Formats: sequence, C-alpha cells, structure tokens
Amino acid sequence: GAGVSQSPSNKVTEKGKDVELRCDPISGHTALYWYRQSLGQGLEFLIYFQGNSAPDKSGLPSDRFSAERTGGSVSTLTIQRTQQEDSAVYLCASSLAGTSGRDEQFFGPGTRLTVL
Amino acid sequence: AQSVAQPEDQVNVAEGNPLTVKCTYSVSGNPYLFWYVQYPNRGLQFLLKYITGDNLVKGSYGFEAEFNKSQTSFHLKKPSALVSDSALYFCAVREGLTGGGNKLTFGTGTQLKVEL
Repeated sequence: GAGVSQSPSNKVTEKGKDVELRCDPISGHTALYWYRQSLGQGLEFLIYFQGNSAPDKSGLPSDRFSAERTGGSVSTLTIQRTQQEDSAVYLCASSLAGTSGRDEQFFGPGTRLTVL
Repeated sequence: AQSVAQPEDQVNVAEGNPLTVKCTYSVSGNPYLFWYVQYPNRGLQFLLKYITGDNLVKGSYGFEAEFNKSQTSFHLKKPSALVSDSALYFCAVREGLTGGGNKLTFGTGTQLKVEL
C-alpha cells in the first residue's frame, strides 16, 4: 500500500513569504505528526493530531506556524512570514492510533524548505 | 520531561564485524523505545521497538536492540554489518502513560559507516 506522501519535495521561498506544506497520511491512520529536521537541531516535534481531538501544538516554535488536518486525513503545515531560520526538512508521520503510544510512526520523505 | 542521548555522532565498522549504536534515555515512567534509520534524502524508516516483555527485541534487516532498565539504555546491535547498513540512526523515546499523547523525543542521531 501507499506510504505517507508529502508535497512539494523541495520548496525555495523568499524571506517574508508564506508557505504551505502538505501531508497525505497512510489510509486508516488516525494519528498524524509533523517534525522538523535541521542541522544542529536534530528532529523536533512540532504538532500532533489524533482523530477529532484538539491537536497538541506544544512543539510549534512561534505563532507564525500553524497546521490543520481536514476530514481526519490530509494535513497542511503553514509557515507565515518565513525567516531564514525556518530552513529545514519538514517531516510528516502517521500511525494507527496515537493514544497508546505503542504504534510506530511511519514517515514521509519530507519537504526540504529553503528560505533565501 | 523525556530525553534521549546518542553519545556517538559517528560509528565506523568494517563489513562483517558486529556493530553497536548506543542510546540512553530518561523518562519519568516506563519507556516506549524506538529505533529508526534514515538513508540520504529519505524519510525515517522504523526498525524496531520495545514496549514491554522480552528485553531483547528483534527488528528489520537483522537488527536487534536490548532494553536495559538499570542502565536506562537501548543499544542497537547487529552481529554482522553490511556496507548497505551505512545510514543515520535515530533512537526515540516516549513515556508509556495513557492519555499522554504520542510525542516522540528523538536523539541527535548516529551516522553509521560500514567499510569494506
């Protein structure tokens, strides 16, 4: 079956512009996660969606970052007024269910964001 | 707070020799532990996990890991390394409490290089 897909694979933008990153999770997975991977920072948790529950936004670095998940499936991560420090690879993952914590997460290939 | 330490940025091993990639963790309660591998320009792939039960966990591609509660460690091992095992390896932990969400905390990664 299809894995987690993300688009675009690469995004180059100018400082101050808004960007939208998309994630299509594995069908049937109720939990969806966004992480950021950057040099020197490792993998950082950004946000977690579980079913219809309120998302865990505790990892979002600033109010310029937001995410939504429509219909319990596709998710969009939006970064407003991008800054150079936002340059990173943004990874999306999904899992069968989030509440037990036992299920492994399946990762997409990532979106490499470069802010000039 | 939960945390993971991967003390080695890089591990070099000759093909055919055993390999170990080290991981130690810190959580308040019982840990759920995961190993992921990342090949260049790819997302993370799940290797194995420890939730409960037998301390020796076997995973994909011949990898295994041993949970040691007293040493708070979860080292990744393989009896005979292959050049194709060369990649970036991440250890991750989640505190095993219900209702606590499913946020994974990752280590900084260990680059494994297997040489002929």
